[in-house]
Amino acid sequence: KNEVEQSPQNLTAQEGEFITINCSYSVGISALHWLQQHPGGGIVSLFMLSSGKKKHGRLIATINIQEKHSSLHITASHPRDSAVYICAVRGHSGGGADGLTFGKGTHLIIQP
Amino acid sequence: EAGVTQFPSHSVIEKGQTVTLRCDPISGHDNLYWYRRVMGKEIKFLLHFVKESKQDESGMPNNRFLAERTGGTYSTLKVQPAELEDSGVYFCASSPLREGKLFFGSGTQLSVL
Repeated sequence: KNEVEQSPQNLTAQEGEFITINCSYSVGISALHWLQQHPGGGIVSLFMLSSGKKKHGRLIATINIQEKHSSLHITASHPRDSAVYICAVRGHSGGGADGLTFGKGTHLIIQP
Repeated sequence: EAGVTQFPSHSVIEKGQTVTLRCDPISGHDNLYWYRRVMGKEIKFLLHFVKESKQDESGMPNNRFLAERTGGTYSTLKVQPAELEDSGVYFCASSPLREGKLFFGSGTQLSVL
């Protein structure tokens, strides 16, 4: 069973700051997802990655398979980035549950 | 293109009653997942359909929960009888591929009193 740990649990920063959210997992995976949930809103998939790095706008996600670690970065943060960011991993086929194993989420607040 | 829709958005019921949640996936998505977040805890996997077949239901808490996906289109999740610990947000997600990007619905907030 994979254990997914996120840090920090809560993060408050000023607008414009560079943000990093970390995710570690205990067992090898086939893919890692970064998800975003705004207060009262649904969940949006930001990235799905299995190696290297992906970039979309001001968001960058990296993964190190050997170290079982991923980071989500937000450059030039803005109050609209305030949300809960969730890391979720999928195990290898046939290795267990078909669904994702989720971290507890990082609650990010960007103050103007 | 319509996203994943869930109905109702909120449901408040008394302990012992029955509730049915519905999920309409994105058209053409064979894979449909149910997840649940209980207050203060991480989201947990419940089950996975591929078309109308249950591929994996290892996350279903007990036999009070019944999920169906007749015809491989929309899915329902019935809780009967509901208990206090069933309260939480139930999310549905769909994907065209088993290991592809997931598209989530807005969730159903279930409160059992």
